[in-house]
Amino acid sequence: EDQVTQSPEALRLQEGESSSLNCSYTVSGLRGLFWYRQDPGKGPEFLFTLYSAGEEKEKERLKATLTKKESFLHITAPKPEDSATYLCAVEPADKLIFGTGTRLQVFP
Amino acid sequence: KAGVTQTPRYLIKTRGQQVTLSCSPISGHRSVSWYQQTPGQGLQFLFEYFSETQRNKGNFPGRFSGRQFSNSRSEMNVSTLELGDSALYLCASSLVGVGEKLFFGSGTQLSVL
Repeated sequence: EDQVTQSPEALRLQEGESSSLNCSYTVSGLRGLFWYRQDPGKGPEFLFTLYSAGEEKEKERLKATLTKKESFLHITAPKPEDSATYLCAVEPADKLIFGTGTRLQVFP
Repeated sequence: KAGVTQTPRYLIKTRGQQVTLSCSPISGHRSVSWYQQTPGQGLQFLFEYFSETQRNKGNFPGRFSGRQFSNSRSEMNVSTLELGDSALYLCASSLVGVGEKLFFGSGTQLSVL
């Protein structure tokens, strides 16, 4: 059965304290892995797509990496505005399977 | 460029009723997909429409249905509402499908009493 697990469920960081979020998956025939950010009261906002093991993408303080079994979202020197829920999703055959997300809080 | 618009923003219904939710995609986007978000289950894929045809469907009962019009606007219908249907319903649009960058609306918060 296709499955996505994200950890930790919640993470509290001091401003400037770097960390990583994990997304592990089991899926038959991965077409792509996606990271989204969701702020309270809003829909998810696209961050990255990764297609093959070894691929990396960067955007400002965020860097996403992919292996054959998991993906990491590295956050370097986070700021309070990075506080949000980060969602990981995989695409096997024209549908998306989401993890339950990591709720990140960054304190000044 | 206008984003994805979902109406209504909030909805309160009672068990047994039915409800219709609306989604207007970004101009030029032909794919619209729907998702149910609950605190316990997270985001779950309901179905995807492309050029007025349902292309894929998640594991939801037949009470959940949808359609897409020629202008790509989409509606989702839930019949015989149950308490467990209370959730945030999100729609997303893209140019050709779910396997690319999706643009989400802010959702419709449905409460079933």
